[in-house]
Amino acid sequence: IAGITQAPTSQILAAGRRMTLRCTQDMRHNAMYWYRQDLGLGLRLIHYSNTAGTTGKGEVPDGYSVSRANTDDFPLTLASAVPSQTSVYFCASSVSTSGGTDTQYFGPGTRLTVL
Amino acid sequence: GQNIDQPTEMTATEGAIVQINCTYQTSGFNGLFWYQQHAGEAPTFLSYNVLDGLEEKGRFSSFLSRSKGYSYLLLKELQMKDSASYLCAVRDSNYQLIWGAGTKLIIKP
Repeated sequence: IAGITQAPTSQILAAGRRMTLRCTQDMRHNAMYWYRQDLGLGLRLIHYSNTAGTTGKGEVPDGYSVSRANTDDFPLTLASAVPSQTSVYFCASSVSTSGGTDTQYFGPGTRLTVL
Repeated sequence: GQNIDQPTEMTATEGAIVQINCTYQTSGFNGLFWYQQHAGEAPTFLSYNVLDGLEEKGRFSSFLSRSKGYSYLLLKELQMKDSASYLCAVRDSNYQLIWGAGTKLIIKP
């Protein structure tokens, strides 16, 4: 693995079903993020984690949950999917959140359709 | 509220120069980022500005004026592969990135 991987690449899901999007990074970055990207809107932060064992809410957290049991993995769970959660989901990571250039690196994304 | 404004779409000619503007109003400022995103792909980092002035990196340059809440990305010697969306993002007082909707750049031969 090099960088950030996400799974699945795409998924069609029935409304009401539970779904977990997986994200793994091998760069030993402390901070990880989940964004959704919708047409005509900027990337919106769902949840983030500054370090293993801690998580925080972003701009649009409702209907989503995350966990950060270790440095590498940051899964995003939709407990009961709704059509408005149809989107492209990107996982990202950065060395830290303390400033400087601290660039965020993105995974390839998961395209989720909720019917 | 926090707001990042960019033009929705721009068209330019191969070999020419294009300037993509970004204006922002955010709660605090801890740097401005430009990312490139090809259709169907992930955003990739282009540039970072935290002090006023111009940062040059090959064919791409980025400018920042903090007093005006303004930045631009300048792309020179345009190539067809530069056709992509360009995303402006500002890191706010909570060190979170606030993203613009992106500017879709179309390059014509």
